[in-house]
Amino acid sequence: AQSVSQHNHHVILSEAASLELGCNYSYGGTVNLFWYVQYPGQHLQLLLKYFSGDPLVKGIKGFEAEFIKSKFSFNLRKPSVQWSDTAEYFCAVELTGGGNKLTFGTGTQLKVEL
Amino acid sequence: KAGVTQTPRYLIKTRGQQVTLSCSPISGHRSVSWYQQTPGQGLQFLFEYFSETQRNKGNFPGRFSGRQFSNSRSEMNVSTLELGDSALYLCASSLAPPQSNYGYTFGSGTRLTVV
Repeated sequence: AQSVSQHNHHVILSEAASLELGCNYSYGGTVNLFWYVQYPGQHLQLLLKYFSGDPLVKGIKGFEAEFIKSKFSFNLRKPSVQWSDTAEYFCAVELTGGGNKLTFGTGTQLKVEL
Repeated sequence: KAGVTQTPRYLIKTRGQQVTLSCSPISGHRSVSWYQQTPGQGLQFLFEYFSETQRNKGNFPGRFSGRQFSNSRSEMNVSTLELGDSALYLCASSLAPPQSNYGYTFGSGTRLTVV
């Protein structure tokens, strides 16, 4: 069965530090990839998505992610985090042609300290 | 344009009861999918509807069911509630089947507490 792994469950960073959150998936077919963010008390918001083309994807709020097909990875990065980036981050994978169904990772809770 | 609207926002039910949750997708979106979010299991796919037809179903018992109306609004129903059904239930709408080339937009969810 398709699965998504986020290895970092809790990350604590100081403001201005660089961020990289790992995401690996198990399915070997063609996939669409997403990163969502959930700020405290708010709903899931799309940070960025990859469907095809340039494997380096830029999203909102200075986030970017790189799709490395050979490693089945889609890691999220931000060069300099802010206190307002404190949130839970979810990686999600959709099997193309498999209907509208997302498989989510378990999430990474990011805390940015001043 | 209006986002995805889920009602009610909060719900408290007793074990054994049933509950119906509602989701109105973004205007023009015809695919609606439902997810359950719990601290222990994370976000899990329940089912997805397009043009009033269920196209995908997750690994949940038959107590969980749903439907979609001709205006794309969707409802999900949980019968014979159990304590473990306490969760945040999220609805997501999408524009284009069969792939979500436009991505998914999530609602704020319905927080269900079973006591």
